[in-house]
Amino acid sequence: QKEVEQNSGPLSVPEGAIASLNCTYSDRVSQSFFWYRQYSGKSPELIMSIYSNGDKEDGRFTAQLNKASQYVSLLIRDSQPSDSATYLCAVTLNAGKSTFGDGTTLTVKP
Amino acid sequence: DTGVSQNPRHKITKRGQNVTFRCDPISEHNRLYWYRQTLGQGPEFLTYFQNEAQLEKSRLLSDRFSAERPKGSFSTLEIQRTEQGDSAMYLCASSFRETQYFGPGTRLLVL
Repeated sequence: QKEVEQNSGPLSVPEGAIASLNCTYSDRVSQSFFWYRQYSGKSPELIMSIYSNGDKEDGRFTAQLNKASQYVSLLIRDSQPSDSATYLCAVTLNAGKSTFGDGTTLTVKP
Repeated sequence: DTGVSQNPRHKITKRGQNVTFRCDPISEHNRLYWYRQTLGQGPEFLTYFQNEAQLEKSRLLSDRFSAERPKGSFSTLEIQRTEQGDSAMYLCASSFRETQYFGPGTRLLVL
């Protein structure tokens, strides 16, 4: 079992819809959780960070964290074709190394 | 504030050759990380530094890989006697606290 698992893709949504991306992690002592967006051939770009249980909203993006269930999610509202990318979930302990999932590829169709 | 920079951006080498990559972190970031990423996979941790100290190195990392950060600023990653399996994107990230910011990466192709 991988330390960080993301729902298998690809995920396809129509423009304007809500895209829901999920991630589970195995290390209960993990402290920091991140979502990165990665366009093909490019490096990961930070979208959201979340450290405590609950929801965190930033524009069209909402991250949700449930430490009891070891679950992190990312919601993208009003999805745009420019949101089409691979989304990586990352988990970190004590500002050390990050452990990444293999990503979920999202396609937003016009 | 400039972002993380990496050089070269692309490297093609023949099997058995040595290669060295450089990473310049965001100024004032005391932590610097190296990751490797292959197609369809998430970034895989290689090693990280806090200032000039190398605090962790992946157990999966071959002895052919070495990294330095001599003055606590830029870092180099060297791969000796490259193998075809070393072909990947090598990513550098830096942080002041928990949040890591990535550079553009160095894409290595070993022929």
